[in-house]
Amino acid sequence: QLQLQESGPGLVKPSETLSLTCTVSGDSISSSDYYWGWIRQPPGKGLEWIGSIYYSENTNYNPSLKSRVTISVDTSKNQFSLRLTSVTAADTAVYYCARRGRTVVVTWFDPWGQGTLVTVSS
Amino acid sequence: EIVLTQSPATLSLSPGERATLSCRASQSVISYLAWYQQKPGQAPRLLIYDASKRATGIPDRFSGSGSGTDFTLTITSLEPEDFAVYYCQQRRTWPLTFGGGTKVEIK
Repeated sequence: QLQLQESGPGLVKPSETLSLTCTVSGDSISSSDYYWGWIRQPPGKGLEWIGSIYYSENTNYNPSLKSRVTISVDTSKNQFSLRLTSVTAADTAVYYCARRGRTVVVTWFDPWGQGTLVTVSS
Repeated sequence: EIVLTQSPATLSLSPGERATLSCRASQSVISYLAWYQQKPGQAPRLLIYDASKRATGIPDRFSGSGSGTDFTLTITSLEPEDFAVYYCQQRRTWPLTFGGGTKVEIK
């Protein structure tokens, strides 16, 4: 059964870099059939797509965050990661990782990790 | 960027009632639209994809319809576990975008 689990610091200081990792079990992250993505949700608000990666190096980012975001893959650990630089309080959110189909029938976010809250504060 | 507008923001209904949720796109997404359910403290769960197809394990009281710019999620008879927030999402163009959500609450 496919499972995704986010991990990383729960508190980041303003202007620093937010770094999160998503560990995938039950599927190979090297598969070209899927995107591996990050979505965030500020407390009490809606969902925002951050970006996705597939085939280890092909990325798509939300233009609103593109200048600050990097998504990468570590195939040896079956993990993918998010780096968000120069964070502010507006980046405080629950961060989710999720798989999205690329060449398969269901090309939507399914499943999702449980999410991890990252607070930006000094 | 395609903007998805969901209405109403909140829907107050009783168990057993029918829920009708709307999602309108700022330009055509053809049928590249999905619906997710999110309960407090949980990640979203895929309900409907490609506008009208139920995801694995989703009860048939959930149905989706629409194409182009206007979409509807219908829950024919609300069960207690259906009270949650529902989001639509498009994949017609990058960036992927979500609607603002509709909260279905107990009346």
